[in-house]
Amino acid sequence: QVQLVQSGAEVKKPGASVKVSCKTSGYTFSSYGIAWVRQAPGQGLEWMGWISPYNGNTNYAQKLQDRVTMTIDTPTTTVYMELKSLGSDDTAVYYCARVLISVGCEADYWGQGTLVTVSS
Amino acid sequence: EIVLTQSPGTLSVSPGERATLSCRASQSVSPTYSVWYQQKAGQSPRLLIYGGSIRAPGIPDRFSGSGSGTDFSLTISRLEPEDFAVYYCQQYDGSLTFGGGTKVEIK
Repeated sequence: QVQLVQSGAEVKKPGASVKVSCKTSGYTFSSYGIAWVRQAPGQGLEWMGWISPYNGNTNYAQKLQDRVTMTIDTPTTTVYMELKSLGSDDTAVYYCARVLISVGCEADYWGQGTLVTVSS
Repeated sequence: EIVLTQSPGTLSVSPGERATLSCRASQSVSPTYSVWYQQKAGQSPRLLIYGGSIRAPGIPDRFSGSGSGTDFSLTISRLEPEDFAVYYCQQYDGSLTFGGGTKVEIK
């Protein structure tokens, strides 16, 4: 069965970086993109970007493109999202999700979420 | 960038009643890229509808999506207790955008 399993919660200081992993299994890795979506406490969903495991292409949300990097490790079918220069407004649950980039980019499977807390 | 506005912010409905949720886009979008999710407290979002009106696998037929142009909607024909949650719409035009969400609560 399709699974996306994310790394554990993180606590970071302002200005630091965080790297969250998303281990995928149960499907052909190169056939689907992986999107990252975050949700601040009590708030809605915010798209951060996606990466294509097929060719490594990325598409980042404009507001984050200077601070976010998404990478893939094909042998382990794991996707990573690194966010730099963290501020308090980056405190959120971060989700990875499987998407069909060529169609409507609907996310049909989601990871369990990773809480990132930014606090001094 | 497309802006999606969902209304109402909160919808109070009794079990067994019908609920219609609205999602308005700031510019015309293709129904192909219209998607709806359900999210319950403490859980990851769940895909309900994609391609404007196609139910995801395992989604009951009481959920339906429709719309075109700038106006899209999600209808839950008869609310079950497990349907009380927050619902988000999504559009994709190269960048992906979510609406602010509609909370469906028990009346």
